[in-house]
Amino acid sequence: KAGVTQTPRYLIKTRGQQVTLSCSPISGHRSVSWYQQTPGQGLQFLFEYFSETQRNKGNFPGRFSGRQFSNSRSEMNVSTLELGDSALYLCASKVQGMNTEAFFGQGTRLTVV
Amino acid sequence: SQELEQSPQSLIVQEGKNLTINCTSSKTLYGLYWYKQKYGEGLIFLMMLQKGGEEKSHEKITAKLDEKKQQSSLHITASQPSHAGIYLCGADQSQGAQKLVFGQGTRLTINP
Repeated sequence: KAGVTQTPRYLIKTRGQQVTLSCSPISGHRSVSWYQQTPGQGLQFLFEYFSETQRNKGNFPGRFSGRQFSNSRSEMNVSTLELGDSALYLCASKVQGMNTEAFFGQGTRLTVV
Repeated sequence: SQELEQSPQSLIVQEGKNLTINCTSSKTLYGLYWYKQKYGEGLIFLMMLQKGGEEKSHEKITAKLDEKKQQSSLHITASQPSHAGIYLCGADQSQGAQKLVFGQGTRLTINP
């Protein structure tokens, strides 16, 4: 069974640009969450999608958005990039329900210059 | 909101020694996850604990959730170089949904 797949693995963008990251969950998993990891703030929750609907959102500005498709694949978009958006972006997938195992992808390393 | 505090923040042990990492929550834990991360990579799922007093083991790693469900410990027996990495505890904040809050991580170094 394939794991959570994130593409691309590495990305370099310029300030002011926008970026789209992709996440393919484990087959059968309908919940996809996104996290940002930085040395200063650690791992922080961005948002969670289930059945193409955003169910939870973290404390991030509106420049961060996402969506989920009918096949459960998810994308997150960051517009008007800032230097502080440089981070490892991780997505996780799980089956429905609280206290079920959540599996993470390898992440996308975004560098904003 | 719930906060998770991990201790120690970093740990250096001799290969073959045992070690323990702790995760303390500001609120009752309803689901506690342990992950391992190699620098710059994704999180590897280790274990999930749900019930007070629950204990799970995988190879040489054992995790426990205390009876009061506000603290968890991760114990590694006879450590090996492959155990090196960052260990993170996470707790589910949202009923039925996935909104994990994480501790700051414990960086483990194994000296040969």
